[in-house]
Amino acid sequence: NAGVTQTPKFRVLKTGQSMTLLCAQDMNHEYMYWYRQDPGMGLRLIHYSVGEGTTAKGEVPDGYNVSRLKKQNFLLGLESAAPSQTSVYFCASSYQGATEAFFGQGTRLTVV
Amino acid sequence: GQQVMQIPQYQHVQEGEDFTTYCNSSTTLSNIQWYKQRPGGHPVFLIQLVKSGEVKKQKRLTFQFGEAKKNSSLHITATQTTDVGTYFCAGKPSNTGKLIFGQGTTLQVKP
Repeated sequence: NAGVTQTPKFRVLKTGQSMTLLCAQDMNHEYMYWYRQDPGMGLRLIHYSVGEGTTAKGEVPDGYNVSRLKKQNFLLGLESAAPSQTSVYFCASSYQGATEAFFGQGTRLTVV
Repeated sequence: GQQVMQIPQYQHVQEGEDFTTYCNSSTTLSNIQWYKQRPGGHPVFLIQLVKSGEVKKQKRLTFQFGEAKKNSSLHITATQTTDVGTYFCAGKPSNTGKLIFGQGTTLQVKP
């Protein structure tokens, strides 16, 4: 039982490049979330999904897009990376919105 | 927008001292969750409070949810070095699917 798996774990991008972060969960959870973590800022919600085929904006959605084509996967895309997007990205999932969230190990992204 | 504020940002204590972190929301929450993140790790769920005025205990940790369901606290009695990490509260505002985290309180414990 892998839980929540994020790929890749580390990535360095040049400004303007694009990439996709993949989050996969094997717990049949309905809810999935993408957060970014920056020093002193806590975990800020980028986008979230309450079920397959649905997505919604969080607190800091600008510069990111997401897709939830399959229930087990939640993709986070950066179309044109900027240095301000240098961060640690965490994906999480939960069975319902009011139950505990399980986190992936995180992706450390550096944009130069 | 909906905000969850957490204080203090940092706390340094001597081993054996108590520690408290506070969480306040600008809107009513349907529940409050608490997580712990060890250095270099990912957040791990500790507990969830749902009812107004609810108090729960886990060994040396005491969690409270305010009567108005807008504030919460985590109190650790007699800290140990294993308590080191960042403690986050997270709230689900009513009628949304969002799970909003506070900024976290980083606890350092001096042996």
